[in-house]
Order: sequence, then C-alpha cells, then structure tokens
Amino acid sequence: AQSVTQPDIHITVSEGASLELRCNYSYGATPYLFWYVQSPGQGLQLLLKYFSGDTLVQGIKGFEAEFKRSQSSFNLRKPSVHWSDAAEYFCAVGLSGYSTLTFGKGTMLLVSP
Amino acid sequence: DAGVTQSPTHLIKTRGQQVTLRCSPISGHKSVSWYQQVLGQGPQFIFQYYEKEERGRGNFPDRFSARQFPNYSSELNVNALLLGDSALYLCASSLSAEGEYFGPGTRLTVT
Repeated sequence: AQSVTQPDIHITVSEGASLELRCNYSYGATPYLFWYVQSPGQGLQLLLKYFSGDTLVQGIKGFEAEFKRSQSSFNLRKPSVHWSDAAEYFCAVGLSGYSTLTFGKGTMLLVSP
Repeated sequence: DAGVTQSPTHLIKTRGQQVTLRCSPISGHKSVSWYQQVLGQGPQFIFQYYEKEERGRGNFPDRFSARQFPNYSSELNVNALLLGDSALYLCASSLSAEGEYFGPGTRLTVT
C-alpha cells in the first residue's frame, strides 16, 4: 500500500523568504503526486500535480514541485512567500489520475512579518 | 463553473443518531469520493463511486454507507454516531485522469 510522509508538522518562514515543504512517498510503481492547500475551516485546493514527463511541475500561486524518483520525494517550493500563503499543505499520492488519494498528515505553514 | 458543493456546512448531532451528508460534483464529473478529515490529520478515504457503482471503500465500519444518484450527486450516511465521528467530511469529484477536486466540506460535531 502506498504511504506519504511529510516530516515537518510546522514550518515558520519570514515573508519574502523562500519555502520548501518536504514530501516522501512509498509506492512500487510511478505514482501520481499532488499538493493541496487548506485554509482554516476550508476544503482542499489543488496546487499542482505530477503524472509523468517533466519532473519540475508548475502550479498555481507561484508554487512549483520537483519529482525525484531516486529519493521518492516530491517537494513543494516557492521562491518568495506571502502572508496569504499561511495555511496547511498536504501532499498526496494516487495510483492513477482517477484514483482516490492517500494523504500525508500535512505541514502547517506560518508566515512571520 | 461551479465547483463541488456540499451540504450542510455544519451539523451537530448526538451520539447514536444518524446523519446524511450531500455532495454535488462539478458538472460533467462522474466520479465522487468521500474523505474524513479528523482535526490535525490528513483526509482519509471512505468511498469512491463512479457511474453509480461503488469503486472503492476505505477502512471504515459498516456504519458508513454511501450512494450515487443518476445525476452523479452523492450522499454519505453514518449510523449510530460516535464521538470519534466528529470530523470534516470532504467530497471530491473527478472527470478524467486529472486528479480530484474537493468541496468545502461538512463539519460534523457529535456530542
């Protein structure tokens, strides 16, 4: 069975600084990988996804993620964080683009002034 | 285009009661999934329906059931509610191999 690990429960970043959120997955085949963001009390918004091809994926709100098969990782990055990016971020893996998802436990991003 | 919609937004129930949550997928989406998100955790898969047929079921007790209607909307039912059923229940829909799109969720509180 697939699993997802997000090793950082909380991360605090200064506004304007760069961001990297870590995600490691366990899955036998090539996974379908996703990053979602959740604001307090809200549902999940899809930031970006990786199915195949170019391992550097661009998403919404200036986010990008890089798939590294050798490290079983799919880390999320943003060059300059804005206060509005404060939220919880979830990495997820699926068997296909149609399949249901296995989520990590999330990383809470705090943005300091 | 409207996204995934869910009703009600919030719900308070007493232990032992039954609850029905509703979901309308994005127009044209034929697959609907349900997830439970307990505070401080990632969402956990409960059910997936495609074309009114159950396509997958997560590790949840038989107190949880669901169905999908001809218009692709869906209901999640939970019987004999327990305090531990308090959570945000998320519905997601998908059309093709593009991943799932989530609704805002229903916050269920069991007292």
